[in-house]
Amino acid sequence: KAGVTQTPRYLIKTRGQQVTLSCSPISGHRSVSWYQQTPGQGLQFLFEYFSETQRNKGNFPGRFSGRQFSNSRSEMNVSTLELGDSALYLCASSLVGGTEKLFFGSGTQLSVL
Amino acid sequence: GDSVTQMEGPVTLSEEAFLTINCTYTATGYPSLFWYVQYPGEGLQLLLKATKADDKGSNKGFEATYRKETTSFHLEKGSVQVSDSAVYFCALSDNQGGKLIFGQGTELSVKP
Repeated sequence: KAGVTQTPRYLIKTRGQQVTLSCSPISGHRSVSWYQQTPGQGLQFLFEYFSETQRNKGNFPGRFSGRQFSNSRSEMNVSTLELGDSALYLCASSLVGGTEKLFFGSGTQLSVL
Repeated sequence: GDSVTQMEGPVTLSEEAFLTINCTYTATGYPSLFWYVQYPGEGLQLLLKATKADDKGSNKGFEATYRKETTSFHLEKGSVQVSDSAVYFCALSDNQGGKLIFGQGTELSVKP
């Protein structure tokens, strides 16, 4: 069974641009969560989607948004990029949502110049 | 709000040494507690978990006991191997949705 797939693996953008990250969950999993990992702030929860609905949201500005498609794939979008958005963005999937058994992808490393 | 505090790293040990990574938490309810491990260039993997007080989670020789009286969930392993070198994260969930609150992570380096 394939694991959680995140694309692209690396991304370089400049300030003010917009970026879209993609996450394909494990087959059959209906929930996708996103986390931001930085050396300074550590791992922080962005949002969780279940069956195309956002169920939970972290404390991030509105520039961070996401969505989930009917096949459970998820995208995360960051608009008007700032230098501080440079981070590893991790996606995690689970069968029915919640936190009991999350499977994480390898992440997308975003660098904002 | 809820939070997790881990001992700072890096922790450097010789192979077969005993490992303890301290983790304490602050939570208003009855959280579930987790240890995740992150190997270089990879995402996080669930190592073990405990969902209620006095539960002991264990996996691959690692153990942690949910201690409500001391609000702790320390990770232990009796004999570490070079392959255990990684960053270890303690986390809690308030069970109100798919949100984990992580500690800052502790880097472990095991030398042969």
